[in-house]
Amino acid sequence: EAQVTQNPRYLITVTGKKLTVTCSQNMNHEYMSWYRQDPGLGLRQIYYSMNVEVTDKGDVPEGYKVSRKEKRNFPLILESPSPNQTSLYFCASSFGAEGEQYFGPGTRLTVT
Amino acid sequence: KQEVTQIPAALSVPEGENLVLNCSFTDSAIYNLQWFRQDPGKGLTSLLLIQSSQREQTSGRLNASLDKSSGRSTLYIAASQPGDSATYLCAGRRPGSDMRFGAGTRLTVKP
Repeated sequence: EAQVTQNPRYLITVTGKKLTVTCSQNMNHEYMSWYRQDPGLGLRQIYYSMNVEVTDKGDVPEGYKVSRKEKRNFPLILESPSPNQTSLYFCASSFGAEGEQYFGPGTRLTVT
Repeated sequence: KQEVTQIPAALSVPEGENLVLNCSFTDSAIYNLQWFRQDPGKGLTSLLLIQSSQREQTSGRLNASLDKSSGRSTLYIAASQPGDSATYLCAGRRPGSDMRFGAGTRLTVKP
């Protein structure tokens, strides 16, 4: 089944404790991206990647890191999480920037 | 900078009605526009993708149109059903650039 998977689905952590949210797709998509969704602010793009080793900042990249070492994986790294990073996070992928985007199920992160 | 606006923010209709959701964008260099559905606490499901060279796309009871010159897209839902109740999001993307989402329209279809 073609899909985008994210892990973990739910995470509660404390301020400053480094964490990684994984994202993987099995559709051989070049383009992958990360979003966060907050009430009243909607969906905002954090980072995107046009292909392996090519990443670029989206709308709200501060406090996040990404890496794209393999085509199928695009992990999101929070080196020192803070409470304002409490949010619902989505990973997405597509065939190039012009393709239809497919979203993962989301990761609900709470930073206390 | 691409801005995407959706009107109305919320809509409640009786079952069976035809309805239109609106999406406007500020940058006419848009590459494509995609409509999504999101159920509460869930991920996004892609409904329709319209490339900049296209004017409309259809899938079942859904029809989406794109008018780049006026910066508008509409999602038409025919014969609405209670199962259509969800938040509908539109998103526009410029070539090689980030993707911008509207705030969504929360649709309730009453039986």
